[in-house]
Amino acid sequence: GENVEQHPSTLSVQEGDSAVIKCTYSDSASNYFPWYKQELGKRPQLIIDIRSNVGEKKDQRIAVTLNKTAKHFSLHITETQPEDSAVYFCAASRQGAQKLVFGQGTRLTINP
Amino acid sequence: NAGVTQTPKFRILKIGQSMTLQCTQDMNHNYMYWYRQDPGMGLKLIYYSVGAGITDKGEVPNGYNVSRSTTEDFPLRLELAAPSQTSVYFCASRLTTSEQYFGPGTRLTVT
Repeated sequence: GENVEQHPSTLSVQEGDSAVIKCTYSDSASNYFPWYKQELGKRPQLIIDIRSNVGEKKDQRIAVTLNKTAKHFSLHITETQPEDSAVYFCAASRQGAQKLVFGQGTRLTINP
Repeated sequence: NAGVTQTPKFRILKIGQSMTLQCTQDMNHNYMYWYRQDPGMGLKLIYYSVGAGITDKGEVPNGYNVSRSTTEDFPLRLELAAPSQTSVYFCASRLTTSEQYFGPGTRLTVT
């Protein structure tokens, strides 16, 4: 079955700098890769997703890149702000799969 | 749409007690899930369902039971609560190829 590895587990960056979180997956048939943000005490919420027919997707300060050959995808956050502090989860699934497989999570801290 | 709703928000149980965590979604999603999240940790799948009448085990099903008699509801039953079941429980739902939505969570303490 699918296995998703997420790195790093914790990340601390200065406000205004960029943050990058990387995930690798094992199932070459996976074709859907969402990223969720979980603020302290709240539920995980989707912030961006990408499907395997595109290599990059952007939404304002966040972007996700996908390298199907290497089987990894990354979340990029530019011009980080204090409200970006949260736990971020990546996930992967193939078409028709019954469940998403989540990474272990990355705790991102933005230092003022 | 209310999305995914969960009750209760908080609960304290004594060891050996039982309870049911309620989950309802009004988006006509076929897939529903129960996760637990221990402090500072990731999401672990307990049980999931691909439609009414169909349920299957996830990574950590021991000590839990589920049922799915309707599309909307997916209750999680804890029998003989143990301290190891202290956690935050999230219900989630999605269509086959859509975004997965999470409920607000139930914070459970077993003492």
